[in-house]
Amino acid sequence: GDSVTQMEGPVTLSEEAFLTINCTYTATGYPSLFWYVQYPGEGLQLLLKATKADDKGSNKGFEATYRKETTSFHLEKGSVQVSDSAVYFCALSVYTGGFKTIFGAGTRLFVKA
Amino acid sequence: DGGITQSPKYLFRKEGQNVTLSCEQNLNHDAMYWYRQDPGQGLRLIYYSQIVNDFQKGDIAEGYSVSREKKESFPLTVTSAQKNPTAFYLCASSIRATAHEAFFGQGTRLTVV
Repeated sequence: GDSVTQMEGPVTLSEEAFLTINCTYTATGYPSLFWYVQYPGEGLQLLLKATKADDKGSNKGFEATYRKETTSFHLEKGSVQVSDSAVYFCALSVYTGGFKTIFGAGTRLFVKA
Repeated sequence: DGGITQSPKYLFRKEGQNVTLSCEQNLNHDAMYWYRQDPGQGLRLIYYSQIVNDFQKGDIAEGYSVSREKKESFPLTVTSAQKNPTAFYLCASSIRATAHEAFFGQGTRLTVV
């Protein structure tokens, strides 16, 4: 079935370090791909998205490229800040008689000052 | 401001009691969803609804029930049949029929004692 696998956390980085969070997916159709972020005690917020192969989603210094050949959508940021500490979820949206979103397990990021 | 509102933020109930979680949106979205989030795990889909008066079971529907009598409202009832109801519950909505992103409420943390 359709699924999303992302790297286990937690990931701990120093401020201004480079961030990569890996995400791979399996899907029977042609999904749209998303990264969501969740701050403590809150719901999820959309961070970025890509709807077709080779699209690059970007927002707030984060970016991810839809790689159909490797079924991946890795999240990157060149220089993280303490305020980026949160849980990051990779997700796909696929049509199954209606669109359904499937989430990865989430990766917790801690950024130290 | 448009958005999606869940209430209450925290809810305590005794074992064996049914409890209903509220979710309201004024985004004019057709589709609404309920997810459950447990510590260290991703989001698991409980129920979803693409249009009024219609809903489908997600991956973990047992012990839960929903209704969709109005476009803007999608309440979730956690019944006494749910074996392990203590969790963080997230409601979301999206534009139907396309792979648009989901908009999330702030969540309800349910604790059963």
